[in-house]
Amino acid sequence: DTGVSQNPRHKITKRGQNVTFRCDPISEHNRLYWYRQTLGQGPEFLTYFQNEAQLEKSRLLSDRFSAERPKGSFSTLEIQRTEQGDSAMYLCATLTGARNTIYFGEGSWLTVV
Amino acid sequence: DQQVKQNSPSLSVQEGRISILNCDYTNSMFDYFLWYKKYPAEGPTFLISISSIKDKNEDGRFTVFLNKSAKHLSLHIVPSQPGDSAVYFCAAPLSTGNQFYFGTGTSLTVIP
Repeated sequence: DTGVSQNPRHKITKRGQNVTFRCDPISEHNRLYWYRQTLGQGPEFLTYFQNEAQLEKSRLLSDRFSAERPKGSFSTLEIQRTEQGDSAMYLCATLTGARNTIYFGEGSWLTVV
Repeated sequence: DQQVKQNSPSLSVQEGRISILNCDYTNSMFDYFLWYKKYPAEGPTFLISISSIKDKNEDGRFTVFLNKSAKHLSLHIVPSQPGDSAVYFCAAPLSTGNQFYFGTGTSLTVIP
């Protein structure tokens, strides 16, 4: 148990619809990351938060993507007007205070049909 | 711009033998490296790490070796077990920890 819970675990949506994923760290880790993974690739960085502040965004994060972390606890990742190319596993991770290691949640699978 | 590379997409090993997974990196600023294991439909699980001040770190059946001059690291699993069958990713953060860079993964199959 990494202490990072993600919902929903699976989402099938029609192209053009909006989807939202939620990440709940059990304990309050200051840093929270969103990654995306497609088949045959490693996790790709999307964005990260230091508390409630979004400090860095990847160029992969187009204007259809928005992430928030109100109050520095849970985080949401919204994808608007989904495209088939958005089909992937979306991973949330937090950084422990003890060492420079990130721990991932179970991931949220998105399939855009 | 792939700063962490895993050039072997797959590896098959007989149960009980040694599995060696390789990883190369290009950014000389990396000073900490991690290995993750991933089963299908699950998030990656942290396995073992190594700091650049060391050349070896061992945890049970898992040992990671670091060759800084060659910008190369490897994960040794001995003895390999069928439950080790998974995709393995190497990763490295920039020292600021803002971003962790991952390789494309090696799919390990341990044959009973």
